[in-house]
Amino acid sequence: LAKTTQPISMDSYEGQEVNITCSHNNIATNDYITWYQQFPSQGPRFIIQGYKTKVTNEVASLFIPADRKSSTLSLPRVSLSDTAVYYCLVGGPLASGGSYIPTFGRGTSLIVHP
Amino acid sequence: KAGVTQTPRYLIKTRGQQVTLSCSPISGHRSVSWYQQTPGQGLQFLFEYFSETQRNKGNFPGRFSGRQFSNSRSEMNVSTLELGDSALYLCASSLSALSPSKGKNEQFFGPGTRLTVL
Repeated sequence: LAKTTQPISMDSYEGQEVNITCSHNNIATNDYITWYQQFPSQGPRFIIQGYKTKVTNEVASLFIPADRKSSTLSLPRVSLSDTAVYYCLVGGPLASGGSYIPTFGRGTSLIVHP
Repeated sequence: KAGVTQTPRYLIKTRGQQVTLSCSPISGHRSVSWYQQTPGQGLQFLFEYFSETQRNKGNFPGRFSGRQFSNSRSEMNVSTLELGDSALYLCASSLSALSPSKGKNEQFFGPGTRLTVL
């Protein structure tokens, strides 16, 4: 079962770039890596997904090294509204039974200061 | 397009009771997954339903069950409630069945049902 590790919290200031790294040492060959953002009292919201190298969309970039044992979410020029919890999601089949269990990390609480 | 809706938003029950939570996915989405979120354990996957069949199941006891209807709406049931079942229960829908090997497997989450067990 894929297990992920993220920093518990991070602080930043408006306008800075923020990089959040997730470790997933036992990622399976076919696993994709997905990042979600969650505000209080809301469900998580999809940010970005990738398999290898670099993926960029209008809100973030995702960097995945060749060994795929970690991934880094990069948020350019954060604002106060980016204050949220960020989750890394990796999943894989169990050793037996074959169920796919999406496994969220414990999340990184990002606080953006003025 | 309307998002994922969950009812009720808040629920208070006592130990030993049972509860049923409801989730309506985004129109056209056939996969519905359920998650439990607690401060201590974080976000944990309960199960996924696709085309009325349970496809994947997390490591939760049999007291947690679910079903999906032909219109893709899903219900989750928890029997013999325990204090530790107090949590935010989230439902997520996606176009296709969850798979770790499928790209763009984006899940859309509802606002959740806050269950308190006294």
